[in-house]
Amino acid sequence: GAVVSQHPSRVICKSGTSVKIECRSLDFQATTMFWYRQFPKQSLMLMATSNEGSKATYEQGVEKDKFLINHASLTLSTLTVTSAHPEDSSFYICSARSQGNYNSPLHFGNGTRLTVT
Amino acid sequence: AQSVTQLGSHVSVSEGALVLLRCNYSSSVPPYLFWYVQYPNQGLQLLLKYTTGATLVKGINGFEAEFKKSETSFHLTKPSAHMSDAAEYFCAVSDRGAGANSKLTFGKGITLSVRP
Repeated sequence: GAVVSQHPSRVICKSGTSVKIECRSLDFQATTMFWYRQFPKQSLMLMATSNEGSKATYEQGVEKDKFLINHASLTLSTLTVTSAHPEDSSFYICSARSQGNYNSPLHFGNGTRLTVT
Repeated sequence: AQSVTQLGSHVSVSEGALVLLRCNYSSSVPPYLFWYVQYPNQGLQLLLKYTTGATLVKGINGFEAEFKKSETSFHLTKPSAHMSDAAEYFCAVSDRGAGANSKLTFGKGITLSVRP
C-alpha cells in the first residue's frame, strides 16, 4: 500500500534554532499534503494544506512565518519550525493524498516528536 | 462548517467484550466519515470509511461502523476486543467540496484500553 515516510521521528533542539521535518510519499505522487499538530491526549489540529509547486494554505491562527511549508515536488513536503520555542514542542504529523479528489484516501506519516529545550 | 463529537475520553473493556466507540457529527452537506486508529508515537491508520451506499461499513481488524443519518452518528463497534486493539481512536468528517484539498476534521479521540 501507499507509504508516507516522515523524518526525523524524534528531534530535540534548543530554543531559537530551526528544525526541518520531511514528509515523503514513497510509492505514489502526492498532489496534496497536510500538516497536523497534535498535543498530548488531544486531537490532530490541521496546520496547513500544501500543493506541489504552490504556496501552502494555512489554517487560521497558524503563523506562516514560523511554520514554513515547502512542497517542492510531488513526493516531498517539508515543514520548518523557525526560531523554535518550548511551546512549539509537540507531535507533528503529515498526510498525503494520492489523487486529485476528495474520495482518495489520506496516508499518514508516523509523526515527528519535537522537543524544544 | 463541520464538526465531530466523541463523548468521553477513555473506554475500558475486557478482552473478548464488545467494543463501542461513539461518534456524532455535524455537517451542512452529506458527510464522508472516517475512523482512524493511532498507536503510541505513530501516525494514523485508516480503519474504515463511509462515503455513499451501504450504511454499515466494515473495516480492518474486525471493526465496523454504521452511518445513521437520522441520529447524525457513526459509531464504531467490534464484537470481541483483543489486547492489540488498545490504542487511540479518532472519528473524522471530510469536507468533500474542495476536491483534492478537502480536509478532515477530527474528533478529540478516545483511548481504548483492553483488560485481560
